[in-house]
Amino acid sequence: GAVVSQHPSWVICKSGTSVKIECRSLDFQATTMFWYRQFPKQSLMLMATSNEGSKATYEQGVEKDKFLINHASLTLSTLTVTSAHPEDSSFYICSARDNSGASYGYTFGSGTRLTVV
Amino acid sequence: QKEVEQDPGPLSVPEGAIVSLNCTYSNSAFQYFMWYRQYSRKGPELLMYTYSSGNKEDGRFTAQVDKSSKYISLFIRDSQPSDSATYLCATNAGGTSYGKLTFGQGTILTVHP
Repeated sequence: GAVVSQHPSWVICKSGTSVKIECRSLDFQATTMFWYRQFPKQSLMLMATSNEGSKATYEQGVEKDKFLINHASLTLSTLTVTSAHPEDSSFYICSARDNSGASYGYTFGSGTRLTVV
Repeated sequence: QKEVEQDPGPLSVPEGAIVSLNCTYSNSAFQYFMWYRQYSRKGPELLMYTYSSGNKEDGRFTAQVDKSSKYISLFIRDSQPSDSATYLCATNAGGTSYGKLTFGQGTILTVHP
């Protein structure tokens, strides 16, 4: 089935630094990538939707200058948390949409736990 | 009001019990309904999906959708300790290959031996 590889699985960074999270679709072309964040014991909250080759669409309340999304190819999307602060500590998950019809449309990465100290 | 409401639990059952997980939704445009299982510190994995009203069975899992009452359910028969996870219902309006998912809060399930 469709696989989305997400790295790193966890990262600790200092306040004020930037962190990049990568998601790669391994066996299909991900024309659309969704980025979520999840706080402990809470559901997934959609942050942004990106289509390959175009600017991401951010959900209301998500700072686009803080959470930079790049979807330059059909198999790679990245989320960069810029000038991270402790309140950005969360679990970030990507989801790619497979339009090939080979599998159901949405495949999730394994998530990245970000801790900002 | 949230578009998808789900009782967060936690729910604790003995091994072998039948588990019933439920969600309600408010948007009549939702047509596709999914259940995801999420283990701690992992991404969600798709368990079941159904289109419109009806039942779908896959092994020990049965998904039900009642669009008239905007109610979706997941039943787990002969529950196992390995079923202990968070279960998330999700919907979308645009079909299987486009449109963002709207998730419920998730129900934390523990199956104890």
